[in-house]
Amino acid sequence: QKEVEQNSGPLSVPEGAIASLNCTYSDRVSQSFFWYRQYSGKSPELIMSIYSNGDKEDGRFTAQLNKASQYVSLLIRDSQPSDSATYLCAVKTIGDTGFQKLVFGTGTRLLVSP
Amino acid sequence: ETGVTQTPRHLVMGMTNKKSLKCEQHLGHNAMYWYKQSAKKPLELMFVYSLEERVENNSVPSRFSPECPNSSHLFLHLHTLQPEDSALYLCASSQDGAANEKLFFGSGTQLSVL
Repeated sequence: QKEVEQNSGPLSVPEGAIASLNCTYSDRVSQSFFWYRQYSGKSPELIMSIYSNGDKEDGRFTAQLNKASQYVSLLIRDSQPSDSATYLCAVKTIGDTGFQKLVFGTGTRLLVSP
Repeated sequence: ETGVTQTPRHLVMGMTNKKSLKCEQHLGHNAMYWYKQSAKKPLELMFVYSLEERVENNSVPSRFSPECPNSSHLFLHLHTLQPEDSALYLCASSQDGAANEKLFFGSGTQLSVL
């Protein structure tokens, strides 16, 4: 069973701080990794993708990937109350039928307090 | 709006009822998906259609029956459901089903089975 593990939280940070969200995965051959954000009562939306080891920055968001450690993280700088949401880590993997699919973690709930 | 529309938003049904969930995408995508989201559990892929052909059936019970009449519409027919089937059912689409990367989700149908 190919799995993606996340701490469910909540992760509480004050406004302006850096929020660090972590994810580990079990499928060693996975090559594509994604972070989705889901506000309460809303559907998930893609915010970051990363394919190579190292860091990828997009505005206040930085995704970090370490394939050797099977570890993905998302850093949110200058956290804002509007960042309060559940962040889902997703890993592209190959299913039993050979179909490439996304396996999601349970998500980490982030709370940013004013 | 994400370009993916789901109806109804909420559905309450008895175990002997038959109902259908509807999804429509306005993005010109080639692939459509059904996901199940239960509390404290990861997003669970149920079915994938690429170019109107089912390419993935993730061991879903036969009481869930998908239908994809064209690349813009996707249905999930429900019959004799169980209370444990109560969940948020999300439809998604992507440009290329094989890549299965950037998913655009609908707002979901919150299903309660009594």
